[in-house]
Amino acid sequence: KAGVTQTPRYLIKTRGQQVTLSCSPISGHRSVSWYQQTPGQGLQFLFEYFSETQRNKGNFPGRFSGRQFSNSRSEMNVSTLELGDSALYLCASSFVGYLNTEAFFGQGTRLTVV
Amino acid sequence: DQQVKQNSPSLSVQEGRISILNCDYTNSMFDYFLWYKKYPAEGPTFLISISSIKDKNEDGRFTVFLNKSAKHLSLHIVPSQPGDSAVYFCAASKGGTSYDKVIFGPGTSLSVIP
Repeated sequence: KAGVTQTPRYLIKTRGQQVTLSCSPISGHRSVSWYQQTPGQGLQFLFEYFSETQRNKGNFPGRFSGRQFSNSRSEMNVSTLELGDSALYLCASSFVGYLNTEAFFGQGTRLTVV
Repeated sequence: DQQVKQNSPSLSVQEGRISILNCDYTNSMFDYFLWYKKYPAEGPTFLISISSIKDKNEDGRFTVFLNKSAKHLSLHIVPSQPGDSAVYFCAASKGGTSYDKVIFGPGTSLSVIP
């Protein structure tokens, strides 16, 4: 069974640019959530998509957005990049959207903003 | 202000000894706690959890202790093995484990020295 796949693994962008990250969940999983991990902050919840609808949203500015496609793959977009957006972005997939034994994380996309 | 704190950014332990990772929380309404382990270049993986109705949960070499009056939980690894070297995240939630309800701590990096 394939795991959660995030692409690209690494990305370098310039301030002011925009970026799109992709997450392919485990087959059959309909919930995809996104997290930002920075040193000293742990994992901070961005948003969750379930069956193509944003179901929950964390406390991030509107520059962070996402969407989910009919095959459950999800994309996250960050516009007008700032230096502080440099982080590891993780996605997690699960059947119904609970963070427990049934949720699995991808390896993450390391975004560096210069 | 961080609701889930892991005040030790790093910890080194000799192989075979006990590793104790600590976590403090500020919100007395948290009723479920989780520990995640993360290796470099991999996503976090669920390790063990505990409900607030219990004060101890054990799974093999891993035991989590919860002290509700002190708002403190700890993860004990006995005996520690080099493969346990990873970053450990403590997380807490109230009213369920949907992604938006779970708050993560900043993590503690454990090094188990052979």
